[in-house]
Amino acid sequence: EAQVTQNPRYLITVTGKKLTVTCSQNMNHEYMSWYRQDPGLGLRQIYYSMNVEVTDKGDVPEGYKVSRKEKRNFPLILESPSPNQTSLYFCASSLSGPRGYGYTFGSGTRLTVV
Amino acid sequence: GESVGLHLPTLSVQEGDNSIINCAYSNSASDYFIWYKQESGKGPQFIIDIRSNMDKRQGQRVTVLLNKTVKHLSLQIAATQPGDSAVYFCAGSGGGADGLTFGKGTHLIIQP
Repeated sequence: EAQVTQNPRYLITVTGKKLTVTCSQNMNHEYMSWYRQDPGLGLRQIYYSMNVEVTDKGDVPEGYKVSRKEKRNFPLILESPSPNQTSLYFCASSLSGPRGYGYTFGSGTRLTVV
Repeated sequence: GESVGLHLPTLSVQEGDNSIINCAYSNSASDYFIWYKQESGKGPQFIIDIRSNMDKRQGQRVTVLLNKTVKHLSLQIAATQPGDSAVYFCAGSGGGADGLTFGKGTHLIIQP
């Protein structure tokens, strides 16, 4: 089944403890992206990647890092998480960009930083 | 920058009635719009899209209308069913890889 898989689905951590949220897609998509979703603010893009070894900042990149060493994986790294990074995170992928039917979202990772 | 937003946070409709969800955008350079549906516990799912050279596009039970003059688009769902209960987002793009700006969402509630 074609899908975007995120892990973990739920995570509670403490301030300052580095964490990684993994994202993997099995559709050979070149474009991948991370969003955070907060009440009253909608979905906001954190980082995106047009292809392997190519990453760019989205609208809210502060406090996050990403890497794209392989086409299928696009992990989101929080080096020193803070409570304001408590949010619902989505990974998405598509063949060539966020426009169009093929833009597929994962099921989300709910992160709580205490 | 671009702003995309929905007019109502919650919309309640009777099962079988038609639903209309509205969205306004601020960037006149936006040339592509998408409607997404997000069910509880899931990621957004593509419903329908429309390019700025069109005024209307129809899918299965859904229609999107675009009024570029007033920078407004709407999603119409015909004969609303319980499975339509979800949060609906509009998203706009002016092009480019980072191009989607999402609205804040409208929660569609179906009354039996």
